[in-house]
Amino acid sequence: DAKTTQPPSMDCAEGRAANLPCNHSTISGNEYVYWYRQIHSQGPQYIIHGLKNNETNEMASLIITEDRKSSTLILPHATLRDTAVYYCIVRVAGGNQGGKLIFGQGTELSVKP
Amino acid sequence: GAVVSQHPSRVICKSGTSVKIECRSLDFQATTMFWYRQFPKQSLMLMATSNEGSKATYEQGVEKDKFLINHASLTLSTLTVTSAHPEDSSFYICSARGVSGEQFFGPGTRLTVL
Repeated sequence: DAKTTQPPSMDCAEGRAANLPCNHSTISGNEYVYWYRQIHSQGPQYIIHGLKNNETNEMASLIITEDRKSSTLILPHATLRDTAVYYCIVRVAGGNQGGKLIFGQGTELSVKP
Repeated sequence: GAVVSQHPSRVICKSGTSVKIECRSLDFQATTMFWYRQFPKQSLMLMATSNEGSKATYEQGVEKDKFLINHASLTLSTLTVTSAHPEDSSFYICSARGVSGEQFFGPGTRLTVL
């Protein structure tokens, strides 16, 4: 079973920041938080991951609370092409011996003009 | 990111036939590959995990004799749906992981069984 909970849907205005929350209150010390997104009828696309420090890349920022029980994915300037289902997943990392990616229901983000 | 391809992207077959789906990692060696299934309006469900040269490990409730997985090389895994039936119609997605631990997904294969 997925170890995360996310709101089923969210709307965001184009050009504004999209903040997607995720709860993972039972996360273990050796589990990372991963974010993927899936645009309709395509395979999931990796966005970002982190352990306890905030992370930023060209796609998004990931803010993890100090107790690691929740996190927020931030898309700083959402575009219509960011409309997708966003999945927050916790996974034991560790190279090739890491854990499996188990998907929950995700958040369906709709970016509106 | 790394590229994972799947072939075919779409397949329509008659009930009772077998269908093979290929998954390739194009620019890295995938020591582990995963197969997922996704029904309409639902999330991805992990079916099985395969390591190169080893037998696949199936998730609970997934029939290993119906969904045959072969991972004969570090760049290729195949999923064969044997004696397919209409209820096997779904979106099948593979994923590949290299030694770095990063995991990438293929574009998916839409299977329709008539």
